[in-house]
Parts: sequence; C-alpha cells; structure tokens
Amino acid sequence: AQTVTQSQPEMSVQEAETVTLSCTYDTSENNYYLFWYKQPPSRQMILVIRQEAYKQQNATENRFSVNFQKAAKSFSLKISDSQLGDTAMYFCAFMEYGNKLVFGAGTILRVKS
Amino acid sequence: EAGVVQSPRYKIIEKKQPVAFWCNPISGHNTLYWYRQNLGQGPELLIRYENEEAVDDSQLPKDRFSAERLKGVDSTLKIQPAELGDSAVYLCASSHRAGRNTGELFFGEGSRLTVL
Repeated sequence: AQTVTQSQPEMSVQEAETVTLSCTYDTSENNYYLFWYKQPPSRQMILVIRQEAYKQQNATENRFSVNFQKAAKSFSLKISDSQLGDTAMYFCAFMEYGNKLVFGAGTILRVKS
Repeated sequence: EAGVVQSPRYKIIEKKQPVAFWCNPISGHNTLYWYRQNLGQGPELLIRYENEEAVDDSQLPKDRFSAERLKGVDSTLKIQPAELGDSAVYLCASSHRAGRNTGELFFGEGSRLTVL
C-alpha cells in the first residue's frame, strides 16, 4: 500500500522569507502523480501544485516550487516570499494513475508578520 | 462557477443518533468523493462515485455508513447510529473525468461532526 509521510507537524516562517515543507512517500509503481494541497483555516482545500513522476523537471507555480527526487521518493514544497495568506495546513498527496488520492498527515504552516 | 457545496457545516449529536450530510458537486463533474478527516490527520477516502455508481467503497464502514448519489449529481452520506469515534470533518470533493485520473479534486468546506 502507498504511504505518504510528512515529518514536520508544524512550521513557522517570517513574512517574505522562504520555507520548505518535506514529504516522503513509498510506492513500487513507476508512474504516478504527487501533489501539494493547501487547507486554510475553516476553508476548503485547494490544489497548490502537481508533479507527474515521469517528468524530471520540477513543477513551479508562481511562488511555489517542488524538489522532486524520484529515487529517494522525496517531494518537498518550497514557498518563496511567504505571505500571511500562506498560513494553512499543507498536505502532500500521492496517486497512481486513475487510483485514489492518498494524503499525508499534514504540516501546519504559520507565516508571521 | 460555483464550487462544491456541503451542508450542514457543523453538526453536534448524541451518540447512537443518525446524521446525514449533503453534497452538491461542481456542475459537470462526473466523479464525486467523500473523505473523512480526523483531527490532525489527512483526509481518507470513504467512497468514490462515477456518475451514480459507487466504484470504490472499500473504506466505507458499511455497518453504519451509507451513501447515495441519485441521478449522478447530489450525494448524501449517512451515519446510523453515530459513535464517538465518528467525530471528524466529512469532506466532499468532485472532479471532471480528466481530473479523476490526474488528482485534481475540488473540495467543499466540509461538514464538522461532533458526537457527544
């Protein structure tokens, strides 16, 4: 069974600084997707960024980028120029093609002014 | 475009009582999911629908949980009777056909259940 591990229960960062959230996963598959979802307090979860395993290039979305290390089964999220609105729970998630999404336990990120 | 709508947002009940949650997915989304999110944990899939067919309900505790998606649009998740351990946030999500295969799900705000 696939597992997703987020080893940082909580993180803090000063506004405008950079923070990296860690994620590791376990799978025997070669083709899959990895995701970071954001869940702000009392608001719905939204997709932040997605990485397809067959692509070597790391995905980027504005201030969000990932460091995908397939051999190490590592998938970290870097948030640059952190903003107060980035405060949320961040979930790393894994999915085999056409299968169900498996989430990690989440990392609470607090951006401080 | 309206997002995924869930109700109620909050529900407090005594154990052994029934409870139902309703979800209206994004228009045109064929796939609908119900997830349960326990405090401090990530969401776990309970059931997935393709149109009106439940294609993955392996994690749904069928002794007390039931779900339906009549006409392939709205869905209802029911718990009867509720137990203390059912306290959680119940999330509904939907995706279009391509999103089902690529993991792009659109979530509602969730229904927070407290069982006393």
